[in-house]
Amino acid sequence: KAGVTQTPRYLIKTRGQQVTLSCSPISGHRSVSWYQQTPGQGLQFLFEYFSETQRNKGNFPGRFSGRQFSNSRSEMNVSTLELGDSALYLCASSLVTGSTEAFFGQGTRLTVV
Amino acid sequence: GQQLNQSPQSMFIQEGEDVSMNCTSSSIFNTWLWYKQDPGEGPVLLIALYKAGELTSNGRLTAQFGITRKDSFLNISASIPSDVGIYFCAGPTSSNTGKLIFGQGTTLQVKP
Repeated sequence: KAGVTQTPRYLIKTRGQQVTLSCSPISGHRSVSWYQQTPGQGLQFLFEYFSETQRNKGNFPGRFSGRQFSNSRSEMNVSTLELGDSALYLCASSLVTGSTEAFFGQGTRLTVV
Repeated sequence: GQQLNQSPQSMFIQEGEDVSMNCTSSSIFNTWLWYKQDPGEGPVLLIALYKAGELTSNGRLTAQFGITRKDSFLNISASIPSDVGIYFCAGPTSSNTGKLIFGQGTTLQVKP
């Protein structure tokens, strides 16, 4: 059974640009959550999607957005990139919303220069 | 807001030694999760705990859900070099949500 797949693994962008990250959950899992991991702030929750609807949102500016498709795949978008957005972005999939057993992908390492 | 405090922040031990780390919170949690993260990888779920007082093992790992529901402990017995990594505790912010908060992590280094 394939795990959570995140693409791309690495990305370098310039300040002011926008970026889209992709996540394919484990087959059969319908809930996808996104987290940002930085050395200073640790792992912080961005948002959760279930059945194509955003169920929860963390304390991030509106430049961070996401969506989920009917096949449960999810994308997150960051617009007007800032240097501080450099981080490891992790996607986690769960069977259903409210399930605490979340399985993480390898992450996308975003570097903003 | 809710916070999880992990200790110690880092540990440097000899191969074969046992390791203990813990996680505390000022609020009650109904679920405690322990993850391990290797460099350049995403966190991997090690153990999930659902009931106060519960003691659960996964190989050489044992975790306990504290009676007060405000803490949890992870023990690793007879450590080996591949135990190296960062260990995180985590818990859901409320029921019926997939939103997890994480501790700051305990970095474990094992000397062969």
